[in-house]
Amino acid sequence: NAGVTQTPKFQVLKTGQSMTLQCAQDMNHNSMYWYRQDPGMGLRLIYYSASEGTTDKGEVPNGYNVSRLNKREFSLRLESAAPSQTSVYFCASSVSVRMGYTFGSGTRLTVV
Amino acid sequence: KNEVEQSPQNLTAQEGEFITINCSYSVGISALHWLQQHPGGGIVSLFMLSSGKKKHGRLIATINIQEKHSSLHITASHPRDSAVYICAVGLIQGAQKLVFGQGTRLTINP
Repeated sequence: NAGVTQTPKFQVLKTGQSMTLQCAQDMNHNSMYWYRQDPGMGLRLIYYSASEGTTDKGEVPNGYNVSRLNKREFSLRLESAAPSQTSVYFCASSVSVRMGYTFGSGTRLTVV
Repeated sequence: KNEVEQSPQNLTAQEGEFITINCSYSVGISALHWLQQHPGGGIVSLFMLSSGKKKHGRLIATINIQEKHSSLHITASHPRDSAVYICAVGLIQGAQKLVFGQGTRLTINP
């Protein structure tokens, strides 16, 4: 089915470990986004990629890095996980901000 | 003050009731989005509005640009409508960024 695919769905990390969250879309969308969702905070933008080859910081980029590998794939890396990064992470894509968004199913990350 | 405010934060109603969720914003926007998130689930885009009104099945979304206000209505509500409904706005300044409300948790009892 067309859409945004995120992996993994669940992950538990120890403090200081690293990991990469993968995101791929097959809708030929130009823009891709990584958000985190925390209770009482709403969704907050971590990084985005307006088009292939570009990435920019969002509201809460500290502790994260991203790679827009090609038009389909946008990965989020935690180099040294901290308990404050315990959250649900969503990847999304859109043709542009003026068009509708498609979200992935989310990754529930716990850092202990 | 948040740039996007939703009300109510929580809403419980009986099956069949007419539901209204409100969203107010304080910034210039290019578009407003309504999203739905089921418990433990992903996020689905319901509507994107820049003016007027849109309808999809039992869901209706309206926006008043002058008043910086949008409403999401659900007619003949059903328990399967139970979810968190999220309002988000695309900014005119700093395009490529959505600002999200904190969501409205809707519970429809049979």
